[in-house]
Amino acid sequence: GESVGLHLPTLSVQEGDNSIINCAYSNSASDYFIWYKQESGKGPQFIIDIRSNMDKRQGQRVTVLLNKTVKHLSLQIAATQPGDSAVYFCAENSPTSGTYKYIFGTGTRLKVLA
Amino acid sequence: DSGVTQTPKHLITATGQRVTLRCSPRSGDLSVYWYQQSLDQGLQFLIQYYNGEERAKGNILERFSAQQFPDLHSELNLSSLELGDSALYFCASSVQTSGAAGELFFGEGSRLTVL
Repeated sequence: GESVGLHLPTLSVQEGDNSIINCAYSNSASDYFIWYKQESGKGPQFIIDIRSNMDKRQGQRVTVLLNKTVKHLSLQIAATQPGDSAVYFCAENSPTSGTYKYIFGTGTRLKVLA
Repeated sequence: DSGVTQTPKHLITATGQRVTLRCSPRSGDLSVYWYQQSLDQGLQFLIQYYNGEERAKGNILERFSAQQFPDLHSELNLSSLELGDSALYFCASSVQTSGAAGELFFGEGSRLTVL
């Protein structure tokens, strides 16, 4: 069935280092991908998105890379800060019967060490 | 503030009871999604509505139902509640125009505790 999975459930990084969070998706027809950040007790917040016609997209301190050949998505956070500590979800959006169905992975917890 | 409003924020009830969770999407968004998030789990897609009509269904139990009203707000009804239904329930909205998909905007969630 449809699934979006993450390789690492928990990632610990030193403050100031770069973080890389990985995600595998299963539906080759998915055409839109989003990374969300969820802090404890809050709703997911949009970080960055990418469409399937792109390989890379950059935002402020964040970069998303898409490898359609191996169906892999990654989120890179530069100069990780304590405020980046959260759970990160990737989501794929698959056109389904005239609508869109957003499927989320289980999440990766990022811990920033001082 | 995402612009998506969910009520109530917290709800404690007993097994066998029925509850209704409410969601007001962002102004102008026609599409509403409901997700369930159990402790330390991902977001499980339940159901989607677009402009009042059901558009997609996920792993939603038969005890659960939802609807979207003409003013575009949505309600998720959970009945015959079980302990395992305790979770955060999120509503999200999007513009959902034809063509390209867009970002989902999430509310802060409704935390349901079934005792």
